Amino acid sequence: DAMVIQNPRYQVTQFGKPVTLSCSQTLNHNVMYWYQQKSSQAPKLLFHYYDKDFNNEADTPDNFQSRRPNTSFCFLDIRSPGLGDAAMYLCATSRDTGEAREKLFFGSGTQLSVL
Amino acid sequence: SQQGEEDPQALSIQEGENATMNCSYKTSINNLQWYRQNSGRGLVHLILIRSNEREKHSGRLRVTLDTSKKSSSLLITASRAADTASYFCATDDNYGQNFVFGPGTRLSVLP
Repeated sequence: DAMVIQNPRYQVTQFGKPVTLSCSQTLNHNVMYWYQQKSSQAPKLLFHYYDKDFNNEADTPDNFQSRRPNTSFCFLDIRSPGLGDAAMYLCATSRDTGEAREKLFFGSGTQLSVL
Repeated sequence: SQQGEEDPQALSIQEGENATMNCSYKTSINNLQWYRQNSGRGLVHLILIRSNEREKHSGRLRVTLDTSKKSSSLLITASRAADTASYFCATDDNYGQNFVFGPGTRLSVLP
């Protein structure tokens, strides 16, 4: 089945130690997103790719970077994780028709713990 | 930034009862969507309603949209314990591109 896959499901890192989260999709969607979700809060958009074009949200810290080497894969790099970066990180995809963005398809998320 | 605001924040009902959740937003939209999230999992799309639509149904779900009041409601009829989850509304942002989520309603359906 076509889907969005995130690995790993749980990630533990140390304060200040770089970490990379990965996402892959078989939907062939042109838009990929990274959301951060803290406990009992709404998902917050960090950035998105429209094809290869990277779009950063204004309030996303420089500590967060992303790479999209091809249509199927997208990575979230946290250069120096702090305790406040512990959260669920959700990857999502959607298809942009040129007129509108269609619904989001989410992966199961990566729960990041920072020790 | 534009954001939907759901109420109530939490709702607890008995199995078989109906559950109604509301969402309000601030500026004009192209569409409004509802998503469901089981604990510790990703979000699943439930239903999309466009700005020129007033009501939409999907199985036990009924969504209404009142653009004059900038509000939407999600009704789940004949609820089941498996409906226990958080429900989020999402609206497209000021550029009609990305989706901004409200804080969600945590629904508990008791058997």
